Parts: sequence; C-alpha cells; structure tokens
Amino acid sequence: QVQLQESGPGLVQPSETLSLTCAVSGDSMSSYYWGWIRQSPAKGLESIGYSFYSGTTTYNPSLNSRVTISVDSSKSQFSLTLSSVTAADTAVYFCARIRTTVGGVFADSWGRGTLVTVSS
Amino acid sequence: DIQMTQSPSSLSASVGDRVTITCRASQRISTYLNWYQQEPGKAPKVLIYGASTLQSGVPSRFSGSGSGTEFTLTISSLQPEDFATYFCQETYSTSWTFGLGTKVETK
Repeated sequence: QVQLQESGPGLVQPSETLSLTCAVSGDSMSSYYWGWIRQSPAKGLESIGYSFYSGTTTYNPSLNSRVTISVDSSKSQFSLTLSSVTAADTAVYFCARIRTTVGGVFADSWGRGTLVTVSS
Repeated sequence: DIQMTQSPSSLSASVGDRVTITCRASQRISTYLNWYQQEPGKAPKVLIYGASTLQSGVPSRFSGSGSGTEFTLTISSLQPEDFATYFCQETYSTSWTFGLGTKVETK
C-alpha cells in the first residue's frame, strides 16, 4: 500500500519561496501522476497541480506562474516550489497520488498534510 | 473558471437516515466529478469517481449519480463513522475545482 509523507519548513517569509517534498513508499512512481493540493479556511480545498512520473506537468492556472512540481523517481519523491508567497498561501499542503482510469481522474492516496504559514 | 456549488453546506442527521448531498457545476463537466470524505485533522478520502463509480473498499451505502451540471452523493443508511465533511471535485478543467463542502453532523 502506497504511503506519502510531506516534509519542509512550517514557516516561510513573505515574498520568499515555499519548498516541500513528498516521499513515496510502498509502490513504484511509474504510471501515476503525483500532485499537490492545499486547504485553507479562506479558500477551502485547492488543487495546485500535478506531474506525471516522466515529468509532464499541469498547473492550476491561478498559480501557474509561481508553481513548479518535479518528480524524482530515483529517489521516490516529488517536490513543490511556490514562489513569491504571501499570507494567502498559508494552508495545509497535501501531496497525493493521482489515478487516471477510463472512469475518471482522482486522488486515491494522500499524505497527512503539513501546515505552512507565511509570516514575518 | 468552473464553479462548484454544494448544498446544503451542513445538515443534521441520525444514524440510519438517508442523506443526499448535491453538487452543481457552473458549466457542463460530463462525468468528471469526484466525491471525497474528510474527517477533522485528516486528509480527504475518495469515495466516488467518475460521478458514479465506487472506489475500492468504500461501503456500498455510498452512491453517486449525475452528469453534465448536476450531481448527487447519497448515503443510504448513515453510520456513526459517516459524520464528516464531504466535498465534490471536478476534473474537467485544469483547475480541478472543489466544492466548499457539506458537513454532516449528528442530530
């Protein structure tokens, strides 16, 4: 059974870059997409973007200019960078495995989430 | 952007009740609609994908229906472990917009 675990700083300064890593264990990263989703009281659940294990990426248009998601299959991990952060980027950040089937596309496994606060 | 409107935002129910939650999309999304359950302090868990397909391991009391712009999640007989918040999500666009959630509370 696949397990995902987020890691990274819990506090980021305004205008700086947020960087998180998701470690994947229990399954191969091939044949899946890997994504990031965040949740805040102000905006609720918000998809950030996702990347195929080979590197093809899709980002939420509202964050597209500030986001990079990359996959490192050799290390069984993928990462998120979000630049020029503001207080509005304060949220719990989840990493997730994305399954694509004939019936649909959905996040079938999630990390526990990590709270990132943007504040000076 | 596609907007996803869930109703109600909260409801009170008892064990054994039939519960129905609705999600409306601001434009047609075919059946690119998922339902998730989230307990406090935990990550969401997928229940239904493709509007009506039950995810493996999810109890059969959960069911989903709809296509186009209107979708429904039904819990046929509410169990104690079902008191949680439920979210719909569209995967038709690249935004993958979520609804704001429906909190199911005990009456």
